[in-house]
This record gives sequence, C-alpha cells and structure tokens, in this order.
Amino acid sequence: GAGVSQSPSNKVTEKGKDVELRCDPISGHTALYWYRQRLGQGLEFLIYFQGNSAPDKSGLPSDRFSAERTGESVSTLTIQRTQQEDSAVYLCASSLAWTYHNEQFFGPGTRLTVL
Amino acid sequence: AQSVAQPEDQVNVAEGNPLTVKCTYSVSGNPYLFWYVQYPNRGLQFLLKYITGDNLVKGSYGFEAEFNKSQTSFHLKKPSALVSDSALYFCAVRDIAAAGNKLTFGGGTRVLVKP
Repeated sequence: GAGVSQSPSNKVTEKGKDVELRCDPISGHTALYWYRQRLGQGLEFLIYFQGNSAPDKSGLPSDRFSAERTGESVSTLTIQRTQQEDSAVYLCASSLAWTYHNEQFFGPGTRLTVL
Repeated sequence: AQSVAQPEDQVNVAEGNPLTVKCTYSVSGNPYLFWYVQYPNRGLQFLLKYITGDNLVKGSYGFEAEFNKSQTSFHLKKPSALVSDSALYFCAVRDIAAAGNKLTFGGGTRVLVKP
C-alpha cells in the first residue's frame, strides 16, 4: 500500500521567505509526527498530532514554526521568515495511534535549503 | 528526560562478518526501544522494536537486538553482514513514564560493509 508521502522533495528558498511543507500520512493512521534532520545529525522532534490536535509542540524551535493537520489526514509545516539555520531535511512520520509502542512510518523527507 | 547515545559514528565490517551497532539509553521509567535504518535519499525504515517480554528481539532483514536493562543498552546485531546493509542506523527511545509521545533518536551510526 501507499506509504507516507511528502512534498516538495526539495525546496530552495531565500532567507526571509515563508515555506510550506506537506505530509500525507498512511491512510488510517491517526498519529502524525514532524522531525528535523540536520546534515550529519540525528532526528530532532518538532511536533506530533493526535487526530487534528497537537498535544505536544515542545520541539518547535521558535514561533516562526507552525503546523496544522486537517481531516485527520494531511499536515502542513510552515516556516515563516526562513533563516539559514532552518536548512535541513524535514521528515514526517505516521503511526496507527499515538500509543507508545506503535512504530512510526517515515516519509522520504523534504530537503529545505535556505540561501 | 529521555536520551539515546550511539557511541560510534561509523562501523566498518567485511561482508559475511558479524555486525554490531551500539546503543545506550537513559529514561526515568521503562523504555520502548526502536531501531531504524536510513538508506541514501530515502526515509527511515523500521527494523525492530522492544516493548516487553523477551530481551532478544528479531526484526527485518535478519537483524536482531538485545535489550539489557542493567546496562541500559539495546545493541543491534546481524550475524552475517551484506554489502546492501551499508546505511545509516538510528536507535530511538520512548519513555513510557514521560508525558508526550515523541521518539528521541540517537545521532546515528553509519555502517559500511565492504565486499
């Protein structure tokens, strides 16, 4: 079946511009997660959704970052006034439910480059 | 707070030899532990997880991992490595006693299997 998809796969933008990254989770997965992976580093948790609600936003780096989810499906991560340090791969994952033992299925990521 | 350490940035092994990728964790409660693999230009793929029960967990592609509570370790192993196992491996932990539902990832270990 279809996995997690993300778009665009690559995004190059200029410093100060806003960007929107999209995630389509696996159908039926109620939990959705966003992570950031800087070059040569591990994954950094940003936010997760349980349905359309985001109980844990603790990982968002600043108020320039926001995310929403609609219809318990698609999610959008928005970065306003992008900075060069925002350059990274942004990974989305989904799981059947938010319970602790369900493994997360990852999308291929969006590579964001801020010039 | 939960944390994961992967002490080796890179592991080199000859094809056919045993492969071990080390992981240690720190949680305040009981852990749920996961291993993921990332191939070039692809998203993370789930390999295996420890939830409860047997300390030796078997997963995809012939990988296994052993949970050791006294040493707070969850090392990934494969008896006979293949060139195709060359990839980036991530260990992750979720503390079931902590609020929220985020996975904390280690920094990753690059595995290079030489023919």
